[in-house]
Amino acid sequence: GENVEQHPSTLSVQEGDSAVIKCTYSDSASNYFPWYKQELGKRPQLIIDIRSNVGEKKDQRIAVTLNKTAKHFSLHITETQPEDSAVYFCAASIRRGGTDKLIFGTGTRLQVFP
Amino acid sequence: GAGVSQSPRYKVAKRGQDVALRCDPISGHVSLFWYQQALGQGPEFLTYFQNEAQLDKSGLPSDRFFAERPEGSVSTLKIQRTQQEDSAVYLCASSRWTETGLYGYTFGSGTRLTVV
Repeated sequence: GENVEQHPSTLSVQEGDSAVIKCTYSDSASNYFPWYKQELGKRPQLIIDIRSNVGEKKDQRIAVTLNKTAKHFSLHITETQPEDSAVYFCAASIRRGGTDKLIFGTGTRLQVFP
Repeated sequence: GAGVSQSPRYKVAKRGQDVALRCDPISGHVSLFWYQQALGQGPEFLTYFQNEAQLDKSGLPSDRFFAERPEGSVSTLKIQRTQQEDSAVYLCASSRWTETGLYGYTFGSGTRLTVV
């Protein structure tokens, strides 16, 4: 079935340390993998995404890696800051009958302590 | 508009009441999605429109849930005879779409529905 697994569910790090969140997906046809940051009471905000034709993408302190063979992708945040504290969701696109939709992971609550 | 707009922002309904939630997507985005987000969970797919056509409604939890997008722009999610388990945030997202996939996928701020 359509499934995206995400772990860990919670992650606590010291300011300046790195944080890594991992996701696996089930549909080998998935070709789009976005990551969203959601602060309490707010909408999910896209922070970075990757398509299946590349293995890695970086944007300042944030990077995403994709391993299509193993069907997993990861979010890496370096030099974490307290304002990085939020819930992070991974997602994978699923195409059925010519339409695309996103299936989300269950989220990772990241806490960055000063 | 500049972003995806949803209204109302908050809705309190008595159990058994019907509710209607509105989504105004980004201009030019042909794809529109509805998601349900329970507290502490990730968004769960409900339904998808491409222009006015509802191409996927596999995530709608029951026949009490109905969505429409009659002119291919604004969409309405209707929940009839609301139950307490319907309490959640309902998120709308819109996107451009091409054969190679989704582009510019953007969420609205959501409607927080509380059924009492």
